[in-house]
Amino acid sequence: AQSVTQLDSHVSVSEGTPVLLRCNYSSSYSPSLFWYVQHPNKGLQLLLKYTSAATLVKGINGFEAEFKKSETSFHLTKPSAHMSDAAEYFCVVSTRRDYKLSFGAGTTVTVRA
Amino acid sequence: DTAVSQTPKYLVTQMGNDKSIKCEQNLGHDTMYWYKQDSKKFLKIMFSYNNKELIINETVPNRFSPKSPDKAHLNLHINSLELGDSAVYFCASSPLGQFTDTQYFGPGTRLTVL
Repeated sequence: AQSVTQLDSHVSVSEGTPVLLRCNYSSSYSPSLFWYVQHPNKGLQLLLKYTSAATLVKGINGFEAEFKKSETSFHLTKPSAHMSDAAEYFCVVSTRRDYKLSFGAGTTVTVRA
Repeated sequence: DTAVSQTPKYLVTQMGNDKSIKCEQNLGHDTMYWYKQDSKKFLKIMFSYNNKELIINETVPNRFSPKSPDKAHLNLHINSLELGDSAVYFCASSPLGQFTDTQYFGPGTRLTVL
């Protein structure tokens, strides 16, 4: 079985400071890993994904994530937060064995002016 | 042009009623999905169809019945609605249904059962 743990349910940052959202996964097979963002009352949008190519993945809006197999982690970072980054972020895993998406519980990001 | 659209956006109804939610994608994708997001924002897959064939059917009460008239549409019919069915339901699509695929989500339908 596959699963995802998002280590922080809520992250609060000041505008212009770095953002770090932590994600650990569990999987018996090589995973594909995704970060999706959900703005209030909106659907989910893909930020970035890892599918066994480069371990450092760059996404939209200045976000990036690094796949670390030894640590079973896929943490999301952004060097400088913007007010528009306030949203819910989901770390997601899927595998060849169990190809449906398994979602983490989400991390709520608030950005202070 | 909306890639994945859902109707209605809001649905308020009484317990015991039957309701449907419609989903359409204009991306030419082969695979479509229904997800349920509960009040704590936890997302769980309910169903998946590939080219009109059911390929994922999670442990969902049989009051929920998906129907795919063609590969661009996946509707969700719910019989005998219960209070616990209140949630946001998201439709999504992906090109081939492979585990590396990006899924594209609709805007959601907020269902409130009174």
